[in-house]
Parts: sequence; structure tokens; C-alpha cells
Amino acid sequence: GQNIDQPTEMTATEGAIVQINCTYQTSGFNGLFWYQQHAGEAPTFLSYNVLDGLEEKGRFSSFLSRSKGYSYLLLKELQMKDSASYLCAVRPFTGGGNKLTFGTGTQLKVEL
Amino acid sequence: DARVTQTPRHKVTEMGQEVTMRCQPILGHNTVFWYRQTMMQGLELLAYFRNRAPLDDSGMPKDRFSAEMPDATLATLKIQPSEPRDSAVYFCASGLARQATPQGTTPFFGPGTRLTVL
Repeated sequence: GQNIDQPTEMTATEGAIVQINCTYQTSGFNGLFWYQQHAGEAPTFLSYNVLDGLEEKGRFSSFLSRSKGYSYLLLKELQMKDSASYLCAVRPFTGGGNKLTFGTGTQLKVEL
Repeated sequence: DARVTQTPRHKVTEMGQEVTMRCQPILGHNTVFWYRQTMMQGLELLAYFRNRAPLDDSGMPKDRFSAEMPDATLATLKIQPSEPRDSAVYFCASGLARQATPQGTTPFFGPGTRLTVL
């Protein structure tokens, strides 16, 4: 089976840096995704990691360690608009499988 | 810009009624997903299609739910009869799977249909 854990809530200050962690246990591994979801809106794709290491995209970076079953999303220079839920999702199968399993999300609140 | 569209955006219905949700995937995408999101369960995959063929619908209650792709520009999710426990936001997502990337595709989500069954 699959199990994905993320903190339920986090609070950070505008302009600061925040790290959102995700740990997973899956039967096989074929990629980890991060999505951002504002209240009442659709999830928006942020990043994808399939190899170990750091992927950087502007203010957002995502890190993966497959041996540890661990990923984090790093948000720099936080802005008020970054207040949202951040979803970690794992694709457990190879060979064309697309059954992303999502964590329950981390609700990030950015304060002044 | 290219987006997944879904109709209706909101639906309130009474228990026992049929509900049909529609999705237009991004033009050129060959993979379509149906997800359901609730506070308790989060995002759950109900079914997905590749080139209009159903590949996996194991997440879907078979007795009342059905998903189809009548053509490449339309996917439907039907609930008959609906029950209060079906109240959720239903998201359609689409992606492009290529032969060069057999590991799969990145789903891009539509705005969702918020369903309330009374």
C-alpha cells in the first residue's frame, strides 16, 4: 500500500523561508510531485522529482531522497499569495502507471 | 492558454438523482483522470483513461459510478443514484503521456465540480 505523511499546518512570515516535508512509503517509486492548491481552486503543478537531489524553480525548490522516502518543498521570499495548501503526491508504479497517491496536504499560512 | 474545463462548477441535487459531470481535457492530451477531494480523504483517484480507453477505475464505486470518454474532447463521470456521501469536489485532470516517457505524465487539473447531495 501507500502512505504519505505531511504536516497538517504551518505558519511563516512574509519574506522568510519555509520548508514543507513529506515522507512516503510506497510499493515501488516512480516520481514525486508537489502541487499548490488555493482554497476553492484546483491543484496547480509545482514540481516533479524522480532522481535524488534538488530541483530549483525560481522561489520554489524541491528535494528528493529515495533511500529515505523523503522530500521537501522549499519556498523562499515568502509572499502573502503563497498561503495555500501544498500537496505531496507519489507515483508508485513504473511502466506507464499514473496512479498518483496524494498526501492530505500542508496548509501554509503566511503572515505579515 | 490551454486549460482543462469542467461543467458544471457547482451542483446541488437530492439523494437518488442522477448526476453527470463533464470535462474537456487540454487539446492534444491523451490521458484523462477523475479525482475526488473531500476534507476527510483528501484527493483520491477514481479512474483514468489513456487514448480514450479506461486503464484503471479501481478507485470508483462500480455500482453507482461510471466514467466514459465519448470522444477525445469529452470525458464524463456519472453517478446514479447519488447519495449524500458522494458530496465532494470532483476534479478532472489531463496529461500527455509519450512513448519516450513511459513513466507517465503530469496531471494538470481542471477547476472542479463541487457536488452537494442532500
